[in-house]
Amino acid sequence: EIVVTQSPGTLSLAPGERATLSCRASQSVSSSYLAWYQQKLGQAPRLLIYGASSRATGIPDRFSGSGSGTDFTLTISRLEPEDFAVYYCQQYGSSSTFGGGTKVEIK
Amino acid sequence: EVQLVESGGGVVRPGGSLRLSCAASGFTFDDYGMNWVRQAPGKGLEWVSGINWIGGDTGYADSVKGRFAISRDNAKNSLYLQMNSLRAEDTALYHCARWGGYCSGGSCYIDYWGQGTLVTVSS
Repeated sequence: EIVVTQSPGTLSLAPGERATLSCRASQSVSSSYLAWYQQKLGQAPRLLIYGASSRATGIPDRFSGSGSGTDFTLTISRLEPEDFAVYYCQQYGSSSTFGGGTKVEIK
Repeated sequence: EVQLVESGGGVVRPGGSLRLSCAASGFTFDDYGMNWVRQAPGKGLEWVSGINWIGGDTGYADSVKGRFAISRDNAKNSLYLQMNSLRAEDTALYHCARWGGYCSGGSCYIDYWGQGTLVTVSS
């Protein structure tokens, strides 16, 4: 089973700043089958990115995904107040596993 | 509007069994693969199992392999998860979730989620 590790565990930033979240897999993720989700307290997750870099429908272009192989990144170019949440990555190239999450909190 | 409504959760003793159901509406169910994903209270997401659109390709997390079984009934627009030999660590909110694309290997990314049904394993 591929183990997925996210870092940092918590990111403290101010609105308007750039957020860079990391997702590392223990083995290469085939076909860049890597997705990112946003989850707010008490809500179901929302799909942001699939295929490592494709934005889901309705997702603002301040969210971007990049990477391949074992190292992937989610970048939020300028944090809006509604972006403070927990973010998860998921590999689906070999069965599936989620990372442990990164909490983006207001500094 | 896509809707996924889970049912069947509850309190069960260790070693017991439960069957979860998910009723799907608002889309052509047999065009999509489906996942079960769980989230323990205050913890992160854990993929549990997935099944493709015709039920011929399934996948399981190592933590549930041999104990859980996923299935679907396309005539009833329904997804199921049979959970046997339940353990305390299976306690979680279980979400039914729709595949967002055409994938193989028993799983895919997720574009729609249900609100979940709570399973508590306790003596």
